[in-house]
Amino acid sequence: GIQVEQSPPDLILQEGANSTLRCNFSDSVNNLQWFHQNPWGQLINLFYIPSGTKQNGRLSATTVATERYSLLYISSSQTTDSGVYFCADVRRGNKLVFGAGTILRVKS
Amino acid sequence: DVKVTQSSRYLVKRTGEKVFLECVQDMDHENMFWYRQDPGLGLRLIYFSYDVKMKEKGDIPEGYSVSREKKERFSLILESASTNQTSMYLCASSSRTGQHEKLFFGSGTQLSVL
Repeated sequence: GIQVEQSPPDLILQEGANSTLRCNFSDSVNNLQWFHQNPWGQLINLFYIPSGTKQNGRLSATTVATERYSLLYISSSQTTDSGVYFCADVRRGNKLVFGAGTILRVKS
Repeated sequence: DVKVTQSSRYLVKRTGEKVFLECVQDMDHENMFWYRQDPGLGLRLIYFSYDVKMKEKGDIPEGYSVSREKKERFSLILESASTNQTSMYLCASSSRTGQHEKLFFGSGTQLSVL
């Protein structure tokens, strides 16, 4: 089946720093989404981005479907950005295939 | 905003018990999903449903069943709980229209089977 690789697996940032998270797919990208899971376990949908670039405040995402990858940019990171970031793509029957996640810790 | 509500945040059960995990969404979504999340394994799909009384097996359906009698409610059933079913269980929903495929999650149920 499709493989989803996220990098880096772990990231520690000083508050105010910028970062880029990457998601690579072994197959074509259909309906890529980025999620943030906060330290309390809640998963929030950040972006629905099958292609192109979107921005939402300090976060932005770019998907290059032809090259099977997506990037999530976090600028001026804050401690509240800590948690796990997942990318996922919709497969047949509305099934999402998730990456293993990037654990982000932002230190004050 | 879409709200997906899971009935319990924490649950402790004994091996062999029958366990029901309930999920309700308030946005009239057609699709509903049950995932489990384990360290190092990410999220894995157990079952999903794209309509009332419809269900499809996900990647790890063994030991689980589901019920969708009403559009807003999707229940996960562990017929005879085992210790390897200790996990975080996440319910999600999405719509097939408009911004379709965008997934919304509940806050999760941490199940411990002793």
